[in-house]
Amino acid sequence: AQSVTQLDSQVPVFEEAPVELRCNYSSSVSVYLFWYVQYPNQGLQLLLKYLSGSTLVKGINGFEAEFNKSQTSFHLRKPSVHISDTAEYFCAVSVLYNQGGKLIFGQGTELSVKP
Amino acid sequence: DADVTQTPRNRITKTGKRIMLECSQTKGHDRMYWYRQDPGLGLRLIYYSFDVKDINKGEISDGYSVSRQAQAKFSLSLESAIPNQTALYFCATSQGKGEQFFGPGTRLTVL
Repeated sequence: AQSVTQLDSQVPVFEEAPVELRCNYSSSVSVYLFWYVQYPNQGLQLLLKYLSGSTLVKGINGFEAEFNKSQTSFHLRKPSVHISDTAEYFCAVSVLYNQGGKLIFGQGTELSVKP
Repeated sequence: DADVTQTPRNRITKTGKRIMLECSQTKGHDRMYWYRQDPGLGLRLIYYSFDVKDINKGEISDGYSVSRQAQAKFSLSLESAIPNQTALYFCATSQGKGEQFFGPGTRLTVL
């Protein structure tokens, strides 16, 4: 079975500071990896995804993530955050075989950007 | 117009009532999903459907049922609602094994 752990439930940060949201996963088979963002009172929106190829993935709004297979991690980073980045962020995995397409989500990380 | 729509957006009901949440999509995707979101637990899969004739239970299907009326429509029912089913419910669609596209959510409160 697969599982996803987001290591921080809340991350407060000041505007223009860098941020890293941590995600570790467990799987005995190859997976696809995703980061979604949920702004207040809205649905989930895809930030970025890793399917194959380069392990450094760039997404929308200046976010990027690096897939590290040996450490089974997919941490999300942004070099300089804005107030508008305040939201909840979810890491998710999808297996590549058989019942592929099902997403398994982490518990979420609330990013709070302060002026 | 939104690609994935959910109705209603908000619903308050009483214990024991039957509730149906509806999801429609215009993306032409074969795969549809129902999740519930609870604070601190992320999103958990209730049911999923890979095509009109395919229905599968997710990790928390007890107390729920679904109907895939057409490629574009996937409904979630609570036969007899209970308070611990109070949550935010999301419908999603996908084509293949890649990205899922989410609806705006339905906030359900069971008193």
